[in-house]
Amino acid sequence: PQLQESGPGLVRPSETLSLTCTVSSGSISSSSYHWAWVRQPPGKGLEFLGSIYYTGTTYYNPSLKSRVTVSVDMSKNQFSLRLSSVTAADTAVYYCARPSGDHYYGMDVWGHGTTVTVSS
Amino acid sequence: DIQMTQSPSTLSASVGDRVTITCRASQTISNWLAWYQQKPGKAPKLLIYQASSLESGVPSRFSGTGSGTEFTLTISSLQPDDFATYHCQHYNSYSYTFGQGTKVEIK
Repeated sequence: PQLQESGPGLVRPSETLSLTCTVSSGSISSSSYHWAWVRQPPGKGLEFLGSIYYTGTTYYNPSLKSRVTVSVDMSKNQFSLRLSSVTAADTAVYYCARPSGDHYYGMDVWGHGTTVTVSS
Repeated sequence: DIQMTQSPSTLSASVGDRVTITCRASQTISNWLAWYQQKPGKAPKLLIYQASSLESGVPSRFSGTGSGTEFTLTISSLQPDDFATYHCQHYNSYSYTFGQGTKVEIK
């Protein structure tokens, strides 16, 4: 299985960041997996943003909850991230990942990551 | 919310050394813990899940122990390919929390 992030690399302050993760070689509707977004600001650690199950159940990082939306499109085998009202602090590498029930929800598959810069 | 604290933040070691990294949870988390290795410019790679289960393809020099609030990742004999940053991660009801990371440097 492979995950591939796509979306703009530059977002203006106060606008909405939108990214899509395409899942290949496997169905996003599998009951064994969640689908998650994780980011890493330059020189810093990993931060969980949000996750979704194929049923549509979502969970968001409480520190970002009001700004984050994760959705799934099973027809395209994709899931997406929207982060509103971005600031320079949202500049980071954004990863999509697959938490696996077979691995106690360790994330066994990751995308390569996409760099998003927030700047005017 | 549960907080995950790793120590040390940076570790200097030599090839062949035994290396131990600790991850502490702010409250008991049973064994819902994973460890990752991350190299510069790359995505994290799952090493250990369920606190002590070795992911397929990961060398046996990596091991994880612990339960409750204290967990360790041990590299029994550090190899050149192991110089990287290591992250712990807890799972609870769709939520995921990472530690701040431990960088293993060449001494």
